[in-house]
Amino acid sequence: GAVVSQHPSRVICKSGTSVKIECRSLDFQATTMFWYRQFPKKSLMLMATSNEGSKATYEQGVEKDKFLINHASLTLSTLTVTSAHPEDSSFYICSADMQGGYTFGSGTRLTVV
Amino acid sequence: SQQGEEDPQALSIQEGENATMNCSYKTSINNLQWYRQNSGRGLVHLILIRSNEREKHSGRLRVTLDTSKKSSSLLITASRAADTASYFCATDQETSGSRLTFGEGTQLTVNP
Repeated sequence: GAVVSQHPSRVICKSGTSVKIECRSLDFQATTMFWYRQFPKKSLMLMATSNEGSKATYEQGVEKDKFLINHASLTLSTLTVTSAHPEDSSFYICSADMQGGYTFGSGTRLTVV
Repeated sequence: SQQGEEDPQALSIQEGENATMNCSYKTSINNLQWYRQNSGRGLVHLILIRSNEREKHSGRLRVTLDTSKKSSSLLITASRAADTASYFCATDQETSGSRLTFGEGTQLTVNP
């Protein structure tokens, strides 16, 4: 079946640095990808919708300058957490829209120290 | 915004027993999906039920949908310890343009 490969699975960074998370669709083209954030023992909160070749659509309350999304090709979307702070520590998950079905990446555990 | 509410928040059962989880939502939907998440991992799609369907089966899973009550249930029969995970419902709302809205999830623990 269709697979979305997400990297890295875990990252620890210092406060003030930037971190890039990648999601690649394998064996299919993902015109649309979604980025979610998940706090411990909580549900997934949609952060933004990423469309290939155009600007991402951010959910209310999500800072677009802090969470930069790039979807430059049909197989790759990236989320960059800029100037990370401890409160950005979370689990980030991407998902690709497969025309009615959704495939999720394995998630990235970000810890900002 | 999250519109799904799930109950119970946590469920602990013995192997072999059935587990039932419920999900309620607030707006009209195209379909409702159930996902499983092992701790610290991504989501695995379990089953999708469309708004014009009332019941669907997949192996040991049975999903019902009542659009008049805006609710769904997931039944796992003959549970196994390996079923221990968090289970989320997600709705594809008519007005959301294919974005999924997730419920709060049920943490299922199946004791051997």
